[in-house]
Amino acid sequence: QQPVQSPQAVILREGEDAVINCSSSKALYSVHWYRQKHGEAPVFLMILLKGGEQKGHDKISASFNEKKQQSSLYLTASQLSYSGTYFCGTGAAGNKLTFGGGTRVLVKP
Amino acid sequence: SAVISQKPSRDICQRGTSLTIQCQVDSQVTMMFWYRQQPGQSLTLIATANQGSEATYESGFVIDKFPISRPNLTFSTLTVSNMSPEDSSIYLCSVEDSQGYTDTQYFGPGTRLTVL
Repeated sequence: QQPVQSPQAVILREGEDAVINCSSSKALYSVHWYRQKHGEAPVFLMILLKGGEQKGHDKISASFNEKKQQSSLYLTASQLSYSGTYFCGTGAAGNKLTFGGGTRVLVKP
Repeated sequence: SAVISQKPSRDICQRGTSLTIQCQVDSQVTMMFWYRQQPGQSLTLIATANQGSEATYESGFVIDKFPISRPNLTFSTLTVSNMSPEDSSIYLCSVEDSQGYTDTQYFGPGTRLTVL
């Protein structure tokens, strides 16, 4: 079952913060976050594991709430380069990932 | 992380024809995956391709329509057969790579397919 991402889209001014949520109806082993710019392949940002710590990548960080089966991606002091579509991929048994519908982020000057 | 290339990068094909997409990796990898991404949509897994075994297809995808080969640990092909306009999508291969104590997937640049 596909995880649900919210919001579907967000518009930010440079320097503002945003949170993207990813929720699953199934128990999760891992959550993988990717960013895809228009016309390009998805780029891996970070992975969060069950029982693991909150991760960070530059001013982008994420958390994983196992009980709620939810992960959140935090964009802090956003930069123009943060624009793109963010996907969460949830891992369960085996090595397959199931991707959410994506969140479009537009950072304006 | 592994460097992945795909050929062709884009193609325009006629209805009823077939197209084979190649995925090449610069290092040996056990697991490779093929995804489809329709315009403005998410990534949908077509199949998992392990070297030396038959590909494992996801619900809604069949071998006759999307035959896959995996002849070695650095290469795979996906064929889109008997194409229709509904097959117009971006097709991406990905490979599983180790990040310390766990694995994640890295994507190739994709093949943009338009079927007329």
